[in-house]
Amino acid sequence: DSGVTQTPKHLITATGQRVTLRCSPRSGDLSVYWYQQSLDQGLQFLIQYYNGEERAKGNILERFSAQQFPDLHSELNLSSLELGDSALYFCASSVVQGWNTEAFFGQGTRLTVV
Amino acid sequence: TQLLEQSPQFLSIQEGENLTVYCNSSSVFSSLQWYRQEPGEGPVLLVTVVTGGEVKKLKRLTFQFGDARKDSSLHITAAQPGDTGLYLCAGRGGGSEKLVFGKGTKLTVNP
Repeated sequence: DSGVTQTPKHLITATGQRVTLRCSPRSGDLSVYWYQQSLDQGLQFLIQYYNGEERAKGNILERFSAQQFPDLHSELNLSSLELGDSALYFCASSVVQGWNTEAFFGQGTRLTVV
Repeated sequence: TQLLEQSPQFLSIQEGENLTVYCNSSSVFSSLQWYRQEPGEGPVLLVTVVTGGEVKKLKRLTFQFGDARKDSSLHITAAQPGDTGLYLCAGRGGGSEKLVFGKGTKLTVNP
């Protein structure tokens, strides 16, 4: 158990809908990262938050947004869903302590868009 | 954009064999990590290397960071079925905390 909790574990929804994925980081970790994993693209970095502020942005679509709340949990909102958004979405957390920061991953949310 | 290329993409071997997987980039990384991921689970950190030329051993696994900090390798000795999984390398560099992943090597160790 990495200590990172993601909910829900599975999500099936229709095209055009909006969903929210939730992540609770490890106790004490200030950074939260969101990744999308698909079979052909591997793990793609979406966005990072540190102590409530956006820290880095990757290949995140405009239809996607995220935030980190004062209690440090984070939510990833996916809207106007398309079939191609079906993927595993992972959250990771870390204590930012320099370049060898270790990231701990949750078990992921499997999103299926039908 | 920093890219990490992993090879081979797939590897199927018999129990007891040795293997090496590679992680290469044209960019310099300040640190590089190796993760192992099993189906339906998130990646789990195996090791972090930060110094060029560094070698770390974890039981039957040996990790090496290239002198120029652009590449890394993972060597497994006497592979076991329990080593089966997706091995991912990930690097940080260029002043960013962003962790960039390779696409992984899917290892299958047959009994």
